[in-house]
Amino acid sequence: ELKVEQNPLFLSMQEGKNYTIYCNYSTTSDRLYWYRQDPGKSLESLFVLLSNGAVKQEGRLMASLDTKARLSTLHITAAVHDLSATYFCAVDMLGAQKLVFGQGTRLTINP
Amino acid sequence: DADVTQTPRNRITKTGKRIMLECSQTKGHDRMYWYRQDPGLGLRLIYYSFDVKDINKGEISDGYSVSRQAQAKFSLSLESAIPNQTALYFCATSDPDNEQFFGPGTRLTVL
Repeated sequence: ELKVEQNPLFLSMQEGKNYTIYCNYSTTSDRLYWYRQDPGKSLESLFVLLSNGAVKQEGRLMASLDTKARLSTLHITAAVHDLSATYFCAVDMLGAQKLVFGQGTRLTINP
Repeated sequence: DADVTQTPRNRITKTGKRIMLECSQTKGHDRMYWYRQDPGLGLRLIYYSFDVKDINKGEISDGYSVSRQAQAKFSLSLESAIPNQTALYFCATSDPDNEQFFGPGTRLTVL
């Protein structure tokens, strides 16, 4: 059974600081996805990582995937308040074409 | 217009009632999914469908049923609603890379 764990689950940080959210998963997969959810809203796709070593960046967010370590990171650079949201990683079960989601990381960025 | 729509957006019902949640998409994707979201638990897969004739149970299908009426439509039914089915329900579609696109969600309360 595939398990996906995010760390930390809650993160409060100041504007301008850097931080990283970690996503570990338990079985072989080479596809990982990051989503953002604002309170009361739906999930918005941020990054699609489809191979070992994949790195993608959008603005102050950068995501990477290490399939050998079964680890993805979402790095936030010089955080701004608008990045406050809950971030989910999700892993594609190999061959099953369905996703298993982590618990989510609630990020709060304070002025 | 939104690519994935859900109706209703909010519903309050009583224990024992039958409820149908509807999902429509204009993305032209074959794959569709139903998830429920509970605080602290991330998203959990209820049912998924790879085409009109292919429907599969997810990790929490008990108490739910689905119907894939067409490529664009995927409905979720609660045959006899119970209070612990109170949750936020999301429909999603996926592209060939399994990137998923979510509807706006249906907030269901069972009294």
